[in-house]
Amino acid sequence: AQTVTQSQPEMSVQEAETVTLSCTYDTSESDYYLFWYKQPPSRQMILVIRQEAYKQQNATENRFSVNFQKAAKSFSLKISDSQLGDAAMYFCAYRGSARQLTFGSGTQLTVLP
Amino acid sequence: DAGVIQSPRHEVTEMGQEVTLRCKPISGHDYLFWYRQTMMRGLELLIYFNNNVPIDDSGMPEDRFSAKMPNASFSTLKIQPSEPRDSAVYFCATGGPVYGYTFGSGTRLTVV
Repeated sequence: AQTVTQSQPEMSVQEAETVTLSCTYDTSESDYYLFWYKQPPSRQMILVIRQEAYKQQNATENRFSVNFQKAAKSFSLKISDSQLGDAAMYFCAYRGSARQLTFGSGTQLTVLP
Repeated sequence: DAGVIQSPRHEVTEMGQEVTLRCKPISGHDYLFWYRQTMMRGLELLIYFNNNVPIDDSGMPEDRFSAKMPNASFSTLKIQPSEPRDSAVYFCATGGPVYGYTFGSGTRLTVV
């Protein structure tokens, strides 16, 4: 079974600075997708960024980018120019041949003014 | 597009009562998932459907839980009888085979 590990329960970053959230996963599949979801206090799960395993190029969405290291099974999220609205719980998720998402335990990000 | 619509947003019920959670998926999405979120266990998959057919219900905790998807526009998750340990946020998520899934706003269930 696939597992997703987020080893940082909490992180903090100064407003306008850059922060990187870590995620590792375990799988025997070669074709899969990886995601980062954001959950603010409103509890809404919001898709931040998606990476296809077959693509070597790292995905980017505005201030959000990933560092995807397939051989190391690592998928970190970098948030540049952090804003107060970025404060939330961030979940890393894996989806393979079985269509469901497997989530990590989450990282609570605090943005300091 | 109104997104994935879940109802109710909050539900408080007494132990032993039946609870029904509802989900309206995004039109055209052929996968529908029910997840449960608790502090202790995080986000857990309960069951998912593809084209209205249940594919994997191995995450359903016990026989007290049941889920149906009678058509492409509607799904329910029922708990009967409810217990305090069922208190959690229940999410419905839908999507296609390629892209990330869209979540509803969730139902916060409190069983007292």
